[in-house]
Amino acid sequence: ILNVEQSPQSLHVQEGDSTNFTCSFPSSNFYALHWYRWETAKSPEALFVMTLNGDEKKKGRISATLNTKEGYSYLYIKGSQPEDSATYLCAFGSGTYKYIFGTGTRLKVLA
Amino acid sequence: EAGVAQSPRYKIIEKRQSVAFWCNPISGHATLYWYQQILGQGPKLLIQFQNNGVVDDSQLPKDRFSAERLKGVDSTLKIQPAKLEDSAVYLCASSLVPNQPQHFGDGTRLSIL
Repeated sequence: ILNVEQSPQSLHVQEGDSTNFTCSFPSSNFYALHWYRWETAKSPEALFVMTLNGDEKKKGRISATLNTKEGYSYLYIKGSQPEDSATYLCAFGSGTYKYIFGTGTRLKVLA
Repeated sequence: EAGVAQSPRYKIIEKRQSVAFWCNPISGHATLYWYQQILGQGPKLLIQFQNNGVVDDSQLPKDRFSAERLKGVDSTLKIQPAKLEDSAVYLCASSLVPNQPQHFGDGTRLSIL
C-alpha cells in the first residue's frame, strides 16, 4: 500500500514568520509530485507540479524542493501572511498516473 | 476559462437512500477524477477516467458506488444505497493529461442521517 505522509498535521505561525512543511512519499515508481493549496470554502488550487529530482519551484513567497531518491518534498513559505492560511496538500503520482494525496498540513497565520 | 462545475453543493439524505452527483470538467480536459474526502483525511481517489474509459477504480466500493462519463465529457457519481460512513466531501477534478495539475470543483458535501 502506497503511503503519502505530511508533517506537521497543523501549525500556527505569526504573521511575518517563515515556515516549511514536509511531504514524504515512496521513492520507487515516481512519476510526479503535486502541491495544492486548499482554502476553506474553496476548491483546491494547484501550486506546483514537480517531476525531476532536485527540482526547485517558486511562486511569489512560496517555494518547493523535491528529492525523489529519498522520497520527500519541502514546501516553504517566506514571510507568512494571514491570506496564506489554508490546508496544503501534496499528491504523489506513480508511474500508472494514479495520484495519492497526503492528509495535508493545516496552516493558520496569526495577524 | 470556466472551471470545473459540480452540483449539488450540499446534500442531506437518510441512510439507505440513493444520491447522485454531477461534474462538468474544463473543456478539453481528457482526464477526470472523483475523490472522497472524509474530515481529517486527504482526498481519496475513487475513480479516474481517461476520456470515457476507466483508468483506475480500485478504491471504488462497487457494491454501492457507480460512476460513468458519457461521451468523455460530463460525469456522474452515484451511491446506492448510502451508508453513514459515506458522509464526506466528494470532489471532482480534471486535467488536460494525467501529468498536468488537476483543477478541482467546489465539491459536494454529503451528510447521511
